[in-house]
Amino acid sequence: EAGVAQSPRYKIIEKRQSVAFWCNPISGHATLYWYQQILGQGPKLLIQFQNNGVVDDSQLPKDRFSAERLKGVDSTLKIQPAKLEDSAVYLCASSFSRGNIQYFGAGTRLSVL
Amino acid sequence: AQRVTQPEKLLSVFKGAPVELKCNYSYSGSPELFWYVQYSRQRLQLLLRHISRESIKGFTADLNKGETSFHLKKPFAQEEDSAMYYCALLTQGGSEKLVFGKGTKLTVNP
Repeated sequence: EAGVAQSPRYKIIEKRQSVAFWCNPISGHATLYWYQQILGQGPKLLIQFQNNGVVDDSQLPKDRFSAERLKGVDSTLKIQPAKLEDSAVYLCASSFSRGNIQYFGAGTRLSVL
Repeated sequence: AQRVTQPEKLLSVFKGAPVELKCNYSYSGSPELFWYVQYSRQRLQLLLRHISRESIKGFTADLNKGETSFHLKKPFAQEEDSAMYYCALLTQGGSEKLVFGKGTKLTVNP
């Protein structure tokens, strides 16, 4: 089966610019997750969707980060405006349902200069 | 609050030697624990989960609720085991989410 697809793979922007990441989960997976992984740390959950509804966005910095999952399939994560501390790898994952095994995409490496 | 601690940032062993990657957790509920692995230039993938009680690639992990630990072990390390290993805890109730440790980089030397 096809895995979780993410694009772009790399992005370099200057602070205060905006950026968007895209994720297409495994077909049939109802639950989609966005993680932020800062260098030297483990992934940290930003937001979790169940179909097109938000289950948990308690760790999403809502003043600058937004995410949507229209139609309950693919998803976009946006940062506006970006800060230096947003430099990280952004991982998307999906699972058949909540609590099931999560499958990860290759990630988008963001550098904010 | 839930927390996963992996005390070793780096671990280096020789091929054929036993290896143990430590993981301790803090969680008030009934824990469900996982080990994820990331090989060089590959995506993060599940290695094993404690409820499966199976051995994957020669690795095993036993949940010890008394010591709140879920250490990953392999009796004879191989060079291809070199990777980043992350221990993760699945929280229950409400939003089931994974809480990851900071990871241990394992290097198996020839």
